[in-house]
Amino acid sequence: DTAVSQTPKYLVTQMGNDKSIKCEQNLGHDTMYWYKQDSKKFLKIMFSYNNKELIINETVPNRFSPKSPDKAHLNLHINSLELGDSAVYFCASSQLGSYEQYFGPGTRLTVT
Amino acid sequence: AQRVTQPEKLLSVFKGAPVELKCNYSYSGSPELFWYVQYSRQRLQLLLRHISRESIKGFTADLNKGETSFHLKKPFAQEEDSAMYYCALRTSYDKVIFGPGTSLSVIP
Repeated sequence: DTAVSQTPKYLVTQMGNDKSIKCEQNLGHDTMYWYKQDSKKFLKIMFSYNNKELIINETVPNRFSPKSPDKAHLNLHINSLELGDSAVYFCASSQLGSYEQYFGPGTRLTVT
Repeated sequence: AQRVTQPEKLLSVFKGAPVELKCNYSYSGSPELFWYVQYSRQRLQLLLRHISRESIKGFTADLNKGETSFHLKKPFAQEEDSAMYYCALRTSYDKVIFGPGTSLSVIP
């Protein structure tokens, strides 16, 4: 049973395209996150949703828009992709107030 | 400013040698600190948290508020310990700030 899943695992696309990454968790958690891991392995939070409401929004370009249709899903849509968007994107979930976050396997995005 | 630093990007030790991965933090409130680990081809997972004061896989970490540090230690490194280690600070609203990570390589 996969706790936090992401699709696709790999995504190669050209500059200027629009793409989405999907995340689903079956842990019953009420909080979900998106992180970006750059080429130097630095991991930085982008967004956090609690019960479909945005609670953390770091300084991320407007081209990135998270969407949470329900509390088990948090998708990331990226418009007008740029070379600098190439990274591994991790989804995570937790129960609000709990200390542990559960991470997905990551989506490696390559923009050419 | 809220920040987590890990001064060593890469750390290599021989099997059986002691290992210490350094972590320092900057936070005005009461800190809640963690170590996460990412083994090769596996997802990031929690290793331990400072409140539990437990030993996981032989690793321990003590919060030193005076030195604002939360170093991860293990007396005898094993090959399976080779991984990427992230120190993390949890702030309000469940925001977790990760350090830049230290890649540990245990040489057989």
